Amino acid sequence: SAVISQKPSRDICQRGTSLTIQCQVDSQVTMMFWYRQQPGQSLTLIATANQGSEATYESGFVIDKFPISRPNLTFSTLTVSNMSPEDSSIYLCSVRLSREETQYFGPGTRLLVL
Amino acid sequence: DAKTTQPPSMDCAEGRAANLPCNHSTISGNEYVYWYRQIHSQGPQYIIHGLKNNETNEMASLIITEDRKSSTLILPHATLRDTAVYYCIVRGDNTDKLIFGTGTRLQVFP
Repeated sequence: SAVISQKPSRDICQRGTSLTIQCQVDSQVTMMFWYRQQPGQSLTLIATANQGSEATYESGFVIDKFPISRPNLTFSTLTVSNMSPEDSSIYLCSVRLSREETQYFGPGTRLLVL
Repeated sequence: DAKTTQPPSMDCAEGRAANLPCNHSTISGNEYVYWYRQIHSQGPQYIIHGLKNNETNEMASLIITEDRKSSTLILPHATLRDTAVYYCIVRGDNTDKLIFGTGTRLQVFP
């Protein structure tokens, strides 16, 4: 398995500002993903973070709103830009280890936008 | 869209077996069935996965029907700490995406 850490674990932000969430894994991984979980809802995939290239976004999510970086095999960031109260959610990093099929999830970042 | 159907909620007495069903009638030959659970305020936890054979690990057993159109996750001796939302997910071997449905909220009571 993998140990995944996210920073910050939670934050309260003002509308119109941006927040960058970091995801760090203790081992090299082939795939990294970002999910959003709105209050009382299931998880929704935002994008696949690709090392050294632009992320692959799912329908309904765009790079201007959720820019993602992945400079190496163990680290990625997700920025939530120009936030509104509707962005209040838990944001989760997820990884797939090399040579394994299982996908693991980080503890999540709980974001509240006022 | 999610390819699975699960009951929204279930109850189970502590110490008894919890049997969580999942329907995946449109599953194709190269798609695996995965189970995750999410305990309140935590990230989803991997439980088990299978292709067509039944699987067992230290957490649970996965029973997949012969036609693969449904499966059951079995927690053999449920405890209060097993109270969580359980997600059944179908994933093909040509994609790395896990698409979550609405899951089953399992409540284990004393």
